[in-house]
Amino acid sequence: DADVTQTPRNRITKTGKRIMLECSQTKGHDRMYWYRQDPGLGLRLIYYSFDVKDINKGEISDGYSVSRQAQAKFSLSLESAIPNQTALYFCATSDPFGGAYNEQFFGPGTRLTVL
Amino acid sequence: AQSVTQPDIHITVSEGASLELRCNYSYGATPYLFWYVQSPGQGLQLLLKYFSGDTLVQGIKGFEAEFKRSQSSFNLRKPSVHWSDAAEYFCAVGKTSYDKVIFGPGTSLSVIP
Repeated sequence: DADVTQTPRNRITKTGKRIMLECSQTKGHDRMYWYRQDPGLGLRLIYYSFDVKDINKGEISDGYSVSRQAQAKFSLSLESAIPNQTALYFCATSDPFGGAYNEQFFGPGTRLTVL
Repeated sequence: AQSVTQPDIHITVSEGASLELRCNYSYGATPYLFWYVQSPGQGLQLLLKYFSGDTLVQGIKGFEAEFKRSQSSFNLRKPSVHWSDAAEYFCAVGKTSYDKVIFGPGTSLSVIP
């Protein structure tokens, strides 16, 4: 079984709809991240969480919100989706104190299309 | 602020040829450096990482990278490319072992049979 899973894998929605993307991990890592990938822009950080009670905005948090329900679960919400939020979204985890030097472990991604 | 540049948006090489993908970062101290690969339709997988020690690091799939402090570079190399290496490659930088990382824009690699 994959260590980091994302649901759904693909989603098409309409402008103005509320969308939730979910991420679960079995790696036991405290740190979790949400990134979006756009062609030519690489991965940009939306939100990150260093533990269940610590949630921080990334470089492009406007229009997004997150919830860290447990160590293993980190959800990303688009309260009112707009077309320029069409992108590939990745969840990742890391353990900076386990000798892996904050290596990120990625989920398979969610492709979101907002019409 | 930290930044990561990958000057080559797209590179095409013939199978069996050598490969070098460039990565430059802006940060004064020695950062934590990573290379990730994203195969089509897949998530990102770590190829290699560096934070100290020997400046030439070996990774998976026959890749290596060299850290050059004087040039603020961490270029990825492979002596002989295989068709399965066609993918998107991302360089990433973290200020410390526990800081969040910044990703470069990526280099898309195509391999001609």
